[in-house]
Amino acid sequence: AQSVSQHNHHVILSEAASLELGCNYSYGGTVNLFWYVQYPGQHLQLLLKYFSGDPLVKGIKGFEAEFIKSKFSFNLRKPSVQWSDTAEYFCAVNDFNDYKLSFGAGTTVTVRA
Amino acid sequence: DTAVSQTPKYLVTQMGNDKSIKCEQNLGHDTMYWYKQDSKKFLKIMFSYNNKELIINETVPNRFSPKSPDKAHLNLHINSLELGDSAVYFCASSQGGTESSYNSPLHFGNGTRLTVT
Repeated sequence: AQSVSQHNHHVILSEAASLELGCNYSYGGTVNLFWYVQYPGQHLQLLLKYFSGDPLVKGIKGFEAEFIKSKFSFNLRKPSVQWSDTAEYFCAVNDFNDYKLSFGAGTTVTVRA
Repeated sequence: DTAVSQTPKYLVTQMGNDKSIKCEQNLGHDTMYWYKQDSKKFLKIMFSYNNKELIINETVPNRFSPKSPDKAHLNLHINSLELGDSAVYFCASSQGGTESSYNSPLHFGNGTRLTVT
């Protein structure tokens, strides 16, 4: 099974600040990569995904992520956050040998108005 | 229309009781899952069913028994509840069979917060 590491446990920033959340995974083969968001009291929703092609993927709500295969990373970015981006962010990975989706421990993002 | 719906939303019960959580999806997906989210927000897969057949069964106590009467439903029954079972349980579904679910994002339900006292 995959090992997924999210470097930041809790990130606090002000509105309009830029956000970058780190995600690294353990498998060296072909992977699918996802970022999910969980707003307070809600279910997880897909932000964006990478299967193949352009390693820079754009998702909903102005988020983007870059897949760097050599670094086994899939970091999430947003140039200018809003208060409504306060949520838990989960990186998730699966590979062709393991259909299970493995989640990172999540990063709590708090945006102060 | 809710795509993946779980009931109940909250479940408070005493140790030793037996309880069930129901899940239904109206997306026409072939694969359904149960995930457990602990107090530290860590998500761990418990089970996965594809067309009513169990395909993933993680290291979960056998007090937990999933039941899939059809591919749109995956219920979770828990016997002899323990304090450590307190968590949020999420049902999810994805499109396609076992292999194509590899490429398919998960659609989650709103979760069931189980509190065992």
